[in-house]
Amino acid sequence: AQSVTQLDSQVPVFEEAPVELRCNYSSSVSVYLFWYVQYPNQGLQLLLKYLSGSTLVKGINGFEAEFNKSQTSFHLRKPSVHISDTAEYFCAVTRGGSNYKLTFGKGTLLTVNP
Amino acid sequence: NAGVTQTPKFQVLKTGQSMTLQCAQDMNHNSMYWYRQDPGMGLRLIYYSASEGTTDKGEVPNGYNVSRLNKREFSLRLESAAPSQTSVYFCASSENGVGLTGELFFGEGSRLTVL
Repeated sequence: AQSVTQLDSQVPVFEEAPVELRCNYSSSVSVYLFWYVQYPNQGLQLLLKYLSGSTLVKGINGFEAEFNKSQTSFHLRKPSVHISDTAEYFCAVTRGGSNYKLTFGKGTLLTVNP
Repeated sequence: NAGVTQTPKFQVLKTGQSMTLQCAQDMNHNSMYWYRQDPGMGLRLIYYSASEGTTDKGEVPNGYNVSRLNKREFSLRLESAAPSQTSVYFCASSENGVGLTGELFFGEGSRLTVL
């Protein structure tokens, strides 16, 4: 079985500061990893994904994440955040192949203050 | 391009009432999903449909039924609503399974309150 742990439920930061949202996963097989973002009163949209290849993945809005197999982590980073980045961020994991189950973490609420 | 459309966006029910949440996608995707989102719980899979004509249980199927009406539409039915089903429900679709194509496309959600 696969699972995801998001280590922080809330992360407050000031505008233009760097941010890291932490995600650890557990799985006995090779995994695909994702970060989704949910803005207030909206659905989720994909921020970035790791399927294979380079362990550093770049996504939309200046976010990036690094897949670390030895530490089973997939932390999300941005060097300088904006007010508009205030949202809830979800890490998710699935195994490759014919599979329909994407397991989500509980979410991290990022609040960017002026 | 509308993507994934859910109706209704808001609904209030009394315990024991029934209702159906509708979902339609216009991306010609094969797979469709229903999730529920509760505070501090993330998203949990209720049911999914790998392709037209098939449906399977997810993590929390009890109290729900689904119908894959055609390739575009996937509905979620609550036969006898309970307060524990108060939640935000999201429909999603993917070209094929998430393990193959790696991305879900979500609707904007349906907020259900059961009194």
